[in-house]
Amino acid sequence: AQSVSQHNHHVILSEAASLELGCNYSYGGTVNLFWYVQYPGQHLQLLLKYFSGDPLVKGIKGFEAEFIKSKFSFNLRKPSVQWSDTAEYFCAVNDGQNFVFGPGTRLSVLP
Amino acid sequence: DVKVTQSSRYLVKRTGEKVFLECVQDMDHENMFWYRQDPGLGLRLIYFSYDVKMKEKGDIPEGYSVSREKKERFSLILESASTNQTSMYLCASSFVTGGRETQYFGPGTRLLVL
Repeated sequence: AQSVSQHNHHVILSEAASLELGCNYSYGGTVNLFWYVQYPGQHLQLLLKYFSGDPLVKGIKGFEAEFIKSKFSFNLRKPSVQWSDTAEYFCAVNDGQNFVFGPGTRLSVLP
Repeated sequence: DVKVTQSSRYLVKRTGEKVFLECVQDMDHENMFWYRQDPGLGLRLIYFSYDVKMKEKGDIPEGYSVSREKKERFSLILESASTNQTSMYLCASSFVTGGRETQYFGPGTRLLVL
């Protein structure tokens, strides 16, 4: 069965630090990839998604992610985080039959 | 805007009670999903439905059932609630166009089973 792993359970950064959150999945076929964010007390929101084409995807709020097929990875990056980026981040994979989320990474940004 | 609504934001039930969680979407989406979200475990898929009267088990269907009598409504049923079903329940709907699927989430129902 498809599985999605996220490298870190909790990441703590200072403002202006660079961010990279790891995501790996297990399925070897064609996939659609997503990153979602959930701010404290709010709904899940879609940050960005990859379906095809340029493997470097730009999303909202300055986030981007790179799909590396050979590594089964879809890491999320932001060059300079802000305190308002404090949230939980979920990677998700859709292989056409199942939509599977990773366990989430909690990001805390210190002012 | 797409709207996915859930019948309750907060519910408190007793062990053994039958619990209904309702989800309604207003965009004629064919696909609907129920997830639960728990700290450290992320989102886990309980059931999904790709059409009226169709249902498919997700990753953790045990202890749950679903009903999709109308396209816009997808109900999650806990036949006999247990304390380990205390969780945040999220409904979602999605559509596929050009091979792309876009998913929209409701606000969630936080269920406490005493």
